[in-house]
Amino acid sequence: GAGVSQTPSNKVTEKGKYVELRCDPISGHTALYWYRQSLGQGPEFLIYFQGTGAADDSGLPNDRFFAVRPEGSVSTLKIQRTERGDSAVYLCASRAGGAGDTQYFGPGTRLTVL
Amino acid sequence: AQKVTQAQTEISVVEKEDVTLDCVYETRDTTYYLFWYKQPPSGELVFLIRRNSFDEQNEISGRYSWNFQKSTSSFNFTITASQVVDSAVYFCARRQGGSEKLVFGKGMKLTVNP
Repeated sequence: GAGVSQTPSNKVTEKGKYVELRCDPISGHTALYWYRQSLGQGPEFLIYFQGTGAADDSGLPNDRFFAVRPEGSVSTLKIQRTERGDSAVYLCASRAGGAGDTQYFGPGTRLTVL
Repeated sequence: AQKVTQAQTEISVVEKEDVTLDCVYETRDTTYYLFWYKQPPSGELVFLIRRNSFDEQNEISGRYSWNFQKSTSSFNFTITASQVVDSAVYFCARRQGGSEKLVFGKGMKLTVNP
């Protein structure tokens, strides 16, 4: 079946602009995650959704970052007033129900802020 | 923060050599989960294995094997008879029981030369 998909694959924007990154989870997966991966580092947790609600947003770096999942499937990560330090690969993952189940990752969106 | 440490940052081997990737984790929990992911040059994180803290049994899957030792807080990964296609960055990660966050190590870049 289809895996996690993310669009766009690459996004180049200018400092101060607003961007939206989209994630389509694996069909039927109830949990969805966003991570950010800087060059040479492991992914860092941003936010976790269970259904439509953000169950844990403790990883969001500041209030410029926001994510939604209005219908419990597709999620959008929104970044306002982008800064050069936001440049990274943004990874989305989804998980089927059940404790301990594995998170399956998408290919990521590479964001470059000029 | 309870860290995941991958002490090796980069390893280069010749095809058919065996290679072991080290992972040491910190935790104060009795229930936790350990993972290995592979990130090939294409960028997508590929799930390899999940282990829960109550299952110290080692596992073998083809050329891959994992050694989980709670006494040393280690979850090492061995590739036997490495192949060029094994070239990738490998990440070890931990998730504690009751949390949804994966905490990743910094990754280890493996290059297998023909």
